[in-house]
Amino acid sequence: SYVLTQSPSVSVAPGKTATITCEGDNIGRKNVNWYQQKTGQAPILVISNDKDRPAGIPERVSGSNSGNTATLTISRAEAGDEADYFCQVWDADSDHWLFGGGTGLTVL
Amino acid sequence: QVQLVESGGSVVQPGTSLRLSCSASGFSFSHYGMHWVRQPPGKGLEWVAVIWDDGRKEFYEESVKGRFAISRDNPKNTLYLQMNSLRPEDTAIYYCARDSGFNSFGDYLASWGQGTLVTVSS
Repeated sequence: SYVLTQSPSVSVAPGKTATITCEGDNIGRKNVNWYQQKTGQAPILVISNDKDRPAGIPERVSGSNSGNTATLTISRAEAGDEADYFCQVWDADSDHWLFGGGTGLTVL
Repeated sequence: QVQLVESGGSVVQPGTSLRLSCSASGFSFSHYGMHWVRQPPGKGLEWVAVIWDDGRKEFYEESVKGRFAISRDNPKNTLYLQMNSLRPEDTAIYYCARDSGFNSFGDYLASWGQGTLVTVSS
């Protein structure tokens, strides 16, 4: 079955750029979605279809996808960006919605 | 706006059954697929099941296939998850989520409820 791999944690200094990756076999051929989950809260969608931002998500949050790696980029990181971030794809072969293991972002 | 409210979570013994509900409002429920996603304590997200907008098709994650059943009541704007033969590893927060596609499946989960906790323990 298809597997999405994320690094467990990423740290970034305030005001700098955080890069969170999601690896999968030829993931560039799939639509990748990203969710943010703050402590004690439900996940929210922050990027859909590789790079689209839902209403209310700031422009400093962006996404890209190519080859075997999808990337979520958070520019000018703020304390409020601290959260777990999960990538997700729909696997057409199994009709399953799959999540990566999640990356914890620390802003310090 | 979209609102999803889960209920039914509880502490239950292994081998027993439980039914979760998700009450939906703020959108045309009968036109969207609906998902259940779970999150064990301190762990990541795990997709559990999906049901088509009209209820005609369902898909399940392998570990729950044959034990869990997703269903919906469109006139009541309610989604259900019947969980049988529960195991300790089913312990998790269970979220319902609205699919992104209108009258079809989309690739992502557009809106989420706040979740309900299921604990399976003797």
